[in-house]
Amino acid sequence: DAMVIQNPRYQVTQFGKPVTLSCSQTLNHNVMYWYQQKSSQAPKLLFHYYDKDFNNEADTPDNFQSRRPNTSFCFLDIRSPGLGDAAMYLCATSREVVGPRWSNEQFFGPGTRLTVL
Amino acid sequence: KNEVEQSPQNLTAQEGEFITINCSYSVGISALHWLQQHPGGGIVSLFMLSSGKKKHGRLIATINIQEKHSSLHITASHPRDSAVYICAVPTGGGADGLTFGKGTHLIIQP
Repeated sequence: DAMVIQNPRYQVTQFGKPVTLSCSQTLNHNVMYWYQQKSSQAPKLLFHYYDKDFNNEADTPDNFQSRRPNTSFCFLDIRSPGLGDAAMYLCATSREVVGPRWSNEQFFGPGTRLTVL
Repeated sequence: KNEVEQSPQNLTAQEGEFITINCSYSVGISALHWLQQHPGGGIVSLFMLSSGKKKHGRLIATINIQEKHSSLHITASHPRDSAVYICAVPTGGGADGLTFGKGTHLIIQP
């Protein structure tokens, strides 16, 4: 089945130790998103790729970076995780078609829950 | 930028009851998303709608563009419907992304 896969599902890292979360998709969607969801809060968009075009949200900390080496894969790198970065990280994809942006259904992965010790 | 309000924040009901969750937003939109999030975090897209009404199984979503309001209904609710239901709309104002409501935590008791 076509899907969005995130690995690992649970990640534990130490304060300041770089960590990479991975997302892959078999949907061949051209747009990929990374969201951060802290406990009891709504998901918050960190950045998204439209094909290879990287779009960073204005308030996304510099500590967060992303790579998209090809259509199928997208990575979230946290260079120096702090305690406040503990959260669920959600990857999503959509197929951008002609029409207003953000009017396309997004397909979410299961998320990676990051714990920072 | 768009603001999203959902109500109620928490809802506990008995199995079989008809459930309604409401969402209102502040800025005109091209489409509204209803999402379901189960404990453990995964999010599933339930509906994306820009007008009228959509139905999928026991779930019905309606939207009134003029009133900037949408509702999600669950008929013949079941304990497996227990989850957080989230409404999301384009952020607007030149910004990318979706703005999410805080979610409605639904518990269906047997």
